[in-house]
Amino acid sequence: GNSVTQMEGPVTLSEEAFLTINCTYTATGYPSLFWYVQYPGEGLQLLLKATKADDKGSNKGFEATYRKETTSFHLEKGSVQVSDSAVYFCALRRKGGSEKLVFGKGMKLTVNP
Amino acid sequence: NAGVTQTPKFQVLKTGQSMTLQCAQDMNHEYMSWYRQDPGMGLRLIHYSVGAGITDQGEVPNGYNVSRSTTEDFPLRLLSAAPSQTSVYFCASSAAGGGGPNYGYTFGSGTRLTVV
Repeated sequence: GNSVTQMEGPVTLSEEAFLTINCTYTATGYPSLFWYVQYPGEGLQLLLKATKADDKGSNKGFEATYRKETTSFHLEKGSVQVSDSAVYFCALRRKGGSEKLVFGKGMKLTVNP
Repeated sequence: NAGVTQTPKFQVLKTGQSMTLQCAQDMNHEYMSWYRQDPGMGLRLIHYSVGAGITDQGEVPNGYNVSRSTTEDFPLRLLSAAPSQTSVYFCASSAAGGGGPNYGYTFGSGTRLTVV
C-alpha cells in the first residue's frame, strides 16, 4: 500500500541554522507529494507540493524536490527563523481513484533565538 | 471567507454519549475527508467521500459514521463515545485530481474532543 516515512524528531535548532527533514514514500504509480505545516494551536496548511518527478516545490524559503529514483521528497530551508517553529508533515496523494492523502507521522521543529 | 468550517472547536463528552462533528466547505470540492490527530501517530484517515452520496472507510473507521447528502457538508458521528476517541479531529476537502493546481487539500481548524 501507500505509505510515507519521515523524520519524527522533535528537533531543536538555533535561528539561522540549516534545516533538512527527510521524507521517503512507497506508492504505486506516481503520486503527488506535499509538505504541510501545523503551527501551534492551528490546523494544517499546505506548505509546498510537487506533482511529477524532478519538480521542485518552494514556498517561504522552504524547498523540496520530487526524486523518483530515491522515492524521496526531503524538505530544506537554508536559514530557519523562530516563526518556523511548527510540526511538519510529509504526505502523498495518488492520482485517480479515491485520491486519499496519506501522511507521515510529523516532525516537531522548535527554533530558538 | 472560502474554506472548510468545523464546529464545535472544543467538546467534552461523557463515555457513552453520542455527538456529531460538523464540517462544511464552500469551494464545491468533490473530495472530503475526516482525520484524527494523536501524539506520535500523525494524522490517520477515519472516513472519506469522493462525492455526494459516496463514502468509504479509512484507516480507523470503528466507532464513527459519516454521510454525504450534499457536496458542502460531511458530518462525522460518534455513536457511543469512548476515552480512546479523545483526539483532535480535522476535516479536509479537495477538488478532484487530473491536472492543474487543484491537488492540495484544504483543512479546517480542527475540533478538540475529550471523552471522560
